[in-house]
Amino acid sequence: GQQVMQIPQYQHVQEGEDFTTYCNSSTTLSNIQWYKQRPGGHPVFLIQLVKSGEVKKQKRLTFQFGEAKKNSSLHITATQTTDVGTYFCAGESTGANSKLTFGKGITLSVRP
Amino acid sequence: NAGVMQNPRHLVRRRGQEARLRCSPMKGHSHVYWYRQLPEEGLKFMVYLQKENIIDESGMPKERFSAEFPKEGPSILRIQQVVRGDSAAYFCASSLLVGETQYFGPGTRLLVL
Repeated sequence: GQQVMQIPQYQHVQEGEDFTTYCNSSTTLSNIQWYKQRPGGHPVFLIQLVKSGEVKKQKRLTFQFGEAKKNSSLHITATQTTDVGTYFCAGESTGANSKLTFGKGITLSVRP
Repeated sequence: NAGVMQNPRHLVRRRGQEARLRCSPMKGHSHVYWYRQLPEEGLKFMVYLQKENIIDESGMPKERFSAEFPKEGPSILRIQQVVRGDSAAYFCASSLLVGETQYFGPGTRLLVL
């Protein structure tokens, strides 16, 4: 079945540093979504990417969908303590029985 | 427009008891998904339902777990004869269309003593 991988599972950065994480799918996706879960909270939708090579920005966050639609990246410029949390990517498979498969997430901690 | 609602937010059960978790999707959403999240782990898909139908239960344990989404009322995730290993956060999400953005509820934190 479809697999969505996020490695590593944890990353620690100093406040102000940039941060990049990647998401890789075993199959071609129709779209990819990113969610953020704050400690003790629930996943909250951030963005959806649909087109091959698409790039979207939300303030200091930049999301990219790979040309082959099998991977994606999230880049945070000048991290802040408010960026702390777990970032999940979720890929929707193509085909009639499409489903959304979540990666295990990457937990970001930011040292002030 | 109310978001996804789940209750209870916290549930404590003793081993062998039943746990019943409820989820009301966002207004207009007919697709409901249940996920389990163990401490320090990611979201594990359990089951996907539409009104009155289970569409995909590939992530649901074969025994003791069941889910329903009746024509009227919330979706229910039922765990019979709970064991300590069932302790986890259970999240419900809903979407307008399958594969589209999923909106998550606040979760039910289940603790089995």
